[in-house]
Amino acid sequence: DSGVTQTPKHLITATGQRVTLRCSPRSGDLSVYWYQQSLDQGLQFLIQYYNGEERAKGNILERFSAQQFPDLHSELNLSSLELGDSALYFCASRGDGPAFFGQGTRLTVV
Amino acid sequence: DQQVKQNSPSLSVQEGRISILNCDYTNSMFDYFLWYKKYPAEGPTFLISISSIKDKNEDGRFTVFLNKSAKHLSLHIVPSQPGDSAVYFCAAGGSNYKLTFGKGTLLTVNP
Repeated sequence: DSGVTQTPKHLITATGQRVTLRCSPRSGDLSVYWYQQSLDQGLQFLIQYYNGEERAKGNILERFSAQQFPDLHSELNLSSLELGDSALYFCASRGDGPAFFGQGTRLTVV
Repeated sequence: DQQVKQNSPSLSVQEGRISILNCDYTNSMFDYFLWYKKYPAEGPTFLISISSIKDKNEDGRFTVFLNKSAKHLSLHIVPSQPGDSAVYFCAAGGSNYKLTFGKGTLLTVNP
């Protein structure tokens, strides 16, 4: 158990819909990262928050947004979903050492 | 622009032998390097890390070597066990804490 909790574990939704993925970081970790893993692809960095502020941005689509709340949990919002958005979405949190990952949310867009 | 590259998509070794996984990076600002292990449908699990002030870090059967001049790092697993079969990701980070991952190497350890 990494200490990072992601909900829901699985999500099936239709094209054009909007979903929210939730991440609770390890206790005390201020940084939260979001990654996307599509079929046969590596981990694509989406966005990072540090103590509520956006720290770094990767190849995140404009249809996607994220935020980190005062209690340090984070949400990734995906809107106007397309079939190609089907993927595993991972959250990771980090203190001073390595990043620890949650178990991921598998999003299926039908 | 792929700043972290794992050029071998797969590697197969015999149980008991050494597994060597390689990783190259291009960004000289990276100063922290990590290896993660990943099973299908699970989150990556942290294995071992090394900072740029060191050239070797060891943890049990796992050793990471860093060659800064060549911008190359490697993970050695000795002895390899069937339970080590997984995808291994190399990651690199800089002072902004962003971690960039390679595409992974599928390691298969045959009994």
